[in-house]
Amino acid sequence: GAVVSQHPSWVICKSGTSVKIECRSLDFQATTMFWYRQFPKQSLMLMATSNEGSKATYEQGVEKDKFLINHASLTLSTLTVTSAHPEDSSFYICSALWTGAGPGNTIYFGEGSWLTVV
Amino acid sequence: QKEVEQNSGPLSVPEGAIASLNCTYSDRGSQSFFWYRQYSGKSPELIMFIYSNGDKEDGRFTAQLNKASQYVSLLIRDSQPSDSATYLCAVRGGGYNKLIFGAGTRLAVHP
Repeated sequence: GAVVSQHPSWVICKSGTSVKIECRSLDFQATTMFWYRQFPKQSLMLMATSNEGSKATYEQGVEKDKFLINHASLTLSTLTVTSAHPEDSSFYICSALWTGAGPGNTIYFGEGSWLTVV
Repeated sequence: QKEVEQNSGPLSVPEGAIASLNCTYSDRGSQSFFWYRQYSGKSPELIMFIYSNGDKEDGRFTAQLNKASQYVSLLIRDSQPSDSATYLCAVRGGGYNKLIFGAGTRLAVHP
C-alpha cells in the first residue's frame, strides 16, 4: 500500500505555545489529506479536509483559527495547533487520499502524533 | 441514527475460530467500504476495501457487502491473538472523498 508519514510521533509542549505536525505522502501525490483527532478509547473524529492549493474544509465544531492547516504541496500537509491547552492533548492522525489505478480511491493513514500539552 | 454503526464489543473468540465483525450504514448512496484495524495507541491500518456486492477475500480476511441491506461485514478466519485490536468500518459516499467511520468493534482473540 501507499506510505504516509507523520512527524513528530510524540511532542510535548507548554500551554500557550504552538506546535506543528507534518504529514507527508512518501510515494504518491495526494491532492487531498485529512486530519483526525482521537481521544483515548474513542473513535476517530474528522477535524478537517486539506486540499492542495486551497483552504481546508473544517468539520462542524472545529476551530479553524486554532487548528491551522496548510497543504502547500502535493505531498505535504501541516497541522498547527495554536495556543495549545491541556485539553488539546490527543492523538492526531493524518491520512492521504490515493487516487491511483484501480476501481476507486483509497485512504491511507500516517502513524499518528501524540500531543501532550503541559 | 449514526451514519455508520458497529457493535462496540468486545467480541471474544478463541484462537483458530472465525471472527465475524458487522457494520451497517445509513447512506444508500455510499459506494466504497473499508475495514481498518487499529491497535491500541497506533493509527489505523487498511485491511481491505470492497465496492461491489458479494464477497472479497484476501488471505484470512473476507469482506462481504450487501448494498440492499446496507450491511458490510468482515470475517477473519483462523483468528490469532495478534488479531486482537479494534476494527473500524468506514464508508465513503458518492461525490465526496472523506470517510465516515464507525466507532469500532474491539476484538479479543484468546489462546
